[in-house]
This record gives sequence, C-alpha cells and structure tokens, in this order.
Amino acid sequence: NAGVTQTPKFQVLKTGQSMTLQCAQDMNHNSMYWYRQDPGMGLRLIYYSASEGTTDKGEVPNGYNVSRLNKREFSLRLESAAPSQTSVYFCASSDGIGGMRFTGELFFGEGSRLTVL
Amino acid sequence: EDQVTQSPEALRLQEGESSSLNCSYTVSGLRGLFWYRQDPGKGPEFLFTLYSAGEEKEKERLKATLTKKESFLHITAPKPEDSATYLCAVQPTGNQFYFGTGTSLTVIP
Repeated sequence: NAGVTQTPKFQVLKTGQSMTLQCAQDMNHNSMYWYRQDPGMGLRLIYYSASEGTTDKGEVPNGYNVSRLNKREFSLRLESAAPSQTSVYFCASSDGIGGMRFTGELFFGEGSRLTVL
Repeated sequence: EDQVTQSPEALRLQEGESSSLNCSYTVSGLRGLFWYRQDPGKGPEFLFTLYSAGEEKEKERLKATLTKKESFLHITAPKPEDSATYLCAVQPTGNQFYFGTGTSLTVIP
C-alpha cells in the first residue's frame, strides 16, 4: 500500500531553472495539497485541489503553479526557481476537505528536499 | 488573522515523566483542531481531530483536549519512541489548514 508518493526525493537547482514535483496517491482521495516546510515557519499551504478539476491558492502561492492531472496526481511546478524556494515540499491527500466526511486526516508523502543555489 | 502558536518549542523529558504540550489559536470560527506527529525526515502522521470545546481524544500515552482558545496534548509516562515533533493545525471555516511550528519532544531513557 503506497499511500502518497512524491518524486523526486532530492533536487538541486540553479536560480532561474524550472522543475516539476510529482505527487500521486492510491487511496481514491478527492482532495490533494502541496505544503512547504521551513525551519521556524511550520507547514505552509501552497496550493490545494479540493476535488478533481479544481485548484485554489493557499497561503504562499507566489512562484508556483499546480496541475491536478487526474484524481490520483497533483503536480507542483517552479517556473523560475529562486533561493527563497529552498525548502522541503510535502504533498498530502484526504477525503473531501469541504464535505461532511472530512475527518482532518491528511496523508502525507515523505517529502521532496529542494535546494536552489 | 488566523493564527496557531505552539509551546514550548522544545521539550526534554525523562522516560516516565509526564507533561503537556500547548496549542493556542485565534481563528474566525473553528471547524476542527488536529494533532499530528512528525518523525525526522518523514511526513506528518495524523493523531487526533477535536471539533468542539470540551472534547477529548486518547491514544495510548497521548490525550488531546480542547477549549475555546487552546488545545493540550498530554503525554503520560512517555517512552523514548514518543520522541518526535508534534504539530497542531486548525481548520477555520473554509478549506484551508493552518499549522503551528511544532514542539520537538525528546524522551531520554
């Protein structure tokens, strides 16, 4: 049972380069999320997708784009990486966040560690 | 502005020494308050959801409680395997979670 799978696990970029972080879940969840985690800042929501076909901005969306490719996959793209985007990125999924079934349980991947030089 | 503050930032306990972690919040309405555990190099793992003041949840040596302004995570007779960072999150009315910065717990054998 894989749960939430993120790739790559580690990446080093130069300023201005672009890259895409991939995320896939096998739990048939409706909602998916991208967070970044920085020391002293906690987990901050970048974008989320409440259901297939929808995406919304979170707390810190600037410099990022997302694509909900299908119900399983949600990708995060950095078009022109900056040193301020050095962070650990987590993808998560859950049953519908706005619905009555939502229990608060997010299932997280293992994280993608990105360094921008 | 919705805000979540956790204290202390770090806590060292002897094995068997009970204590509590605090999560205070200011939000415009509260749909739920959540506790997660995060081990080094891993993603957070869900522990509890609390929906209303007065509610309590328990799991092994952990007990979470909720008031109108804060939540406590009580750890009774901790063991070294309880060492982790404990994260609190709130969901105000809407579709977003707000996480605190966590409490790093170390339990010394």
